[in-house]
This record gives sequence, structure tokens and C-alpha cells, in this order.
Amino acid sequence: GQQLNQSPQSMFIQEGEDVSMNCTSSSIFNTWLWYKQDPGEGPVLLIALYKAGELTSNGRLTAQFGITRKDSFLNISASIPSDVGIYFCAGQRWGTSYGKLTFGQGTILTVHP
Amino acid sequence: KAGVTQTPRYLIKTRGQQVTLSCSPISGHRSVSWYQQTPGQGLQFLFEYFSETQRNKGNFPGRFSGRQFSNSRSEMNVSTLELGDSALYLCASSSARTTGTEAFFGQGTRLTVV
Repeated sequence: GQQLNQSPQSMFIQEGEDVSMNCTSSSIFNTWLWYKQDPGEGPVLLIALYKAGELTSNGRLTAQFGITRKDSFLNISASIPSDVGIYFCAGQRWGTSYGKLTFGQGTILTVHP
Repeated sequence: KAGVTQTPRYLIKTRGQQVTLSCSPISGHRSVSWYQQTPGQGLQFLFEYFSETQRNKGNFPGRFSGRQFSNSRSEMNVSTLELGDSALYLCASSSARTTGTEAFFGQGTRLTVV
């Protein structure tokens, strides 16, 4: 089935450092979404991207929709302990893919105070 | 505005039983999707409903079914439970009639099959 390759799988960083993670696909997606999930909870939407090349920020988070429509990245600046969690990228294709998001495997982020 | 509400939060069932999970979407949202999350397979799409009609279905056996009511609330049912059905089941709601819009997730139902 369709796969999104998300990297890195995990990151261990110091508080205050910047973080970068990305997702790539062999196929085009029309929408890219980034989520954060805490243990035992549902994913929380961070940023949504709808146009190739689009760069969108949400506080310390910045995400970009790749020009080829096959990739996206998420940056977190000046990390803080509450950034700890699992970050997922998700893509959706227009047309008949109603409700279907294809997810990456997730990036586990650990922030050391 | 209230978020997506899933009930119950936790369930323990015995192999062979059936289970029904409930999801109330964000007010005004008519699309509800269901996902299964496991450590090995990650987040996998089960099905999507819009205005009481199933519009899309993932690659799960027929033991997994769902429905949506006129108030957009949705239920999913798993019959003849297997140990491998143990997972976090998530529903997501969206306002979209079409594809390509934001999806908001509930807290999930943790199902354990023993």
C-alpha cells in the first residue's frame, strides 16, 4: 500500500535546539498535514499545507509542502520540554480518497532540559 | 467548540466477542473517519462516512464495520474479536464534503483483547 517515509525515527535533543524532520513519498499528495501525539492520546493537528511550495508557520513550528508534491518537512525552533512526543506527517490525495490520510511512521522527539 | 469525543476510552474484551465504539464529531462536521493504530502497523485507515454513507474503505476484513447516524455520530463495530485487534482506535472528523481538508482526531479508544 501507499507509504510515507518519515525520518528520522527518533531524535534526542537539548532544550533550546532546533529540530527538523521530513516525509517523502513515491507518489503525489495534494494535502500534507503534521500531527503531534502524546502517549495514550489522539493526534493533534499542528499544521495543514494545501499548495506545492507553501511555507506555513504556527508559533515555533514551520512546515513546507514540497514543490514536487512528494515531500514535506517540519521544523521546530528553540525546543522546549513540552515538545516531547511523536510527530506524524500525513498526506491526502484529492478525488475519491475521502477521509483517507496516509501516515508516516512517526518521529519520536525527546527533549532534555 | 467541543472537540471529537470518543467513548469509551478503554475496553477489555475476550477473544470471540464483539465490540462497538462510538465517535461524536465536532459540531457541524459531517465526515467521520476511523483509524487503527498499533505499534507494528502504525496508523491505518479503516473507513470514512459522510452523511450516513460510507464513501471509502481501507483494507480490513469484513469483521470491521461502521455506520453513521443522521446527527453525524458514528459507530464502528468489530465482530469475532482476535488478539491482533488490540489497538488504539481513533476517529477523525472533518467538515469536508470533498477531500483535502483538515482532520481532527479524538482521544481514541484503547481496545485490549484477551
